[in-house]
Amino acid sequence: AQKITQTQPGMFVQEKEAVTLDCTYDTSDPSYGLFWYKQPSSGEMIFLIYQGSYDQQNATEGRYSLNFQKARKSANLVISASQLGDSAMYFCAMREDQGAQKLVFGQGTRLTINP
Amino acid sequence: NAGVMQNPRHLVRRRGQEARLRCSPMKGHSHVYWYRQLPEEGLKFMVYLQKENIIDESGMPKERFSAEFPKEGPSILRIQQVVRGDSAAYFCASSPTRGAEETQYFGPGTRLLVL
Repeated sequence: AQKITQTQPGMFVQEKEAVTLDCTYDTSDPSYGLFWYKQPSSGEMIFLIYQGSYDQQNATEGRYSLNFQKARKSANLVISASQLGDSAMYFCAMREDQGAQKLVFGQGTRLTINP
Repeated sequence: NAGVMQNPRHLVRRRGQEARLRCSPMKGHSHVYWYRQLPEEGLKFMVYLQKENIIDESGMPKERFSAEFPKEGPSILRIQQVVRGDSAAYFCASSPTRGAEETQYFGPGTRLLVL
């Protein structure tokens, strides 16, 4: 069964520093996708970045990058040069290619950027 | 280019009443997913629908909950005889096709409060 684990309930970072949010996953499906979403205090879910299980290179989207270590089954999100607006909940999610097309989410990490 | 739309954004119901949540997917998207988020938790999958078909309802409670995605009009999540434990944020997401690599884009959510 697919499972996502985020071990950091909360993180506090100084503005302009880089931050890494941890995510490990478990699946028996060789084909899967990994996603990160941001949920600010307003509540909406904002898609940030995607990594496919067969992708050779780590995904990047602006200040976001995904540190994908397949053998370790980890998909950490790296935010460079953090900004006050990055303060939010961050969710890691996985979707298997076989069977149900659902996203399975981790518990989330609450990131607070201090000025 | 409208995103996923959900209404109402906030819904208050008394115990025993019915709640109807609506979701209009992004233009060109025929796959709709409903998720529920309890306070301080990640999202949990409820149901996956395509036009006129329920594909996977493995996350739906067996009683009181139903979902549909008619040929015309929005997808509807219906909760009959609501109880306090149904209070949560309900998110709808859509994607153009199925597959592990397809990003699901979320609506703003409906916050249901049962008094």
